[in-house]
Amino acid sequence: GAVVSQHPSWVICKSGTSVKIECRSLDFQATTMFWYRQFPKQSLMLMATSNEGSKATYEQGVEKDKFLINHASLTLSTLTVTSAHPEDSSFYICSAREGSSYFSFDSNQPQHFGDGTRLSIL
Amino acid sequence: KQEVTQIPAALSVPEGENLVLNCSFTDSAIYNLQWFRQDPGKGLTSLLLIQSSQREQTSGRLNASLDKSSGRSTLYIAASQPGDSATYLCAVRQWGVNYGGSQGNLIFGKGTKLSVKP
Repeated sequence: GAVVSQHPSWVICKSGTSVKIECRSLDFQATTMFWYRQFPKQSLMLMATSNEGSKATYEQGVEKDKFLINHASLTLSTLTVTSAHPEDSSFYICSAREGSSYFSFDSNQPQHFGDGTRLSIL
Repeated sequence: KQEVTQIPAALSVPEGENLVLNCSFTDSAIYNLQWFRQDPGKGLTSLLLIQSSQREQTSGRLNASLDKSSGRSTLYIAASQPGDSATYLCAVRQWGVNYGGSQGNLIFGKGTKLSVKP
């Protein structure tokens, strides 16, 4: 089946550090990838939608200068948390939706999730 | 604004029991509804997807129903096993672009944490 690989799975770093998280679709192309954040005992909250070759669409309240998203190819999207602080500590999950067309607003296409990245800022 | 609620928040049952997890949503204008499983510290595994025009979907011991007009879905698990222990998430996919500015955005509930005891 389709696999989304997310790396690293766990990061512990000092406040002020920038952290990059990678999300790869291993055996399918994904025009659209999604980045979610999940706080303990809370639901997944969408941070941004990433489209290959264009700027990401950020949800309300998410700082695009703090959470930099790059989707340079149909199989790779990255999320960089710049100058991370303790309040950025969370579980970050990426998701990739199958489709190689820019107009794959096709919600019937399967959406696959990575295993998440636990980010702890000291 | 779409809100997804899951009841109960946690559930503990003995092995072999049949059980029902509930999901409700406030806006019936959905494209589809999905049930996911999340193991501790892990990502999500899709279990069942129900299109807005469908009433139910089945996969093995799992059966999910959808009543769009009343804004409800249930996930039925038959003959539960310890390996079913996980958090089960319900998510609806919106039609339009007005919810958070994203097309086809998935709105998640907080999940039901299921524990099946041997």
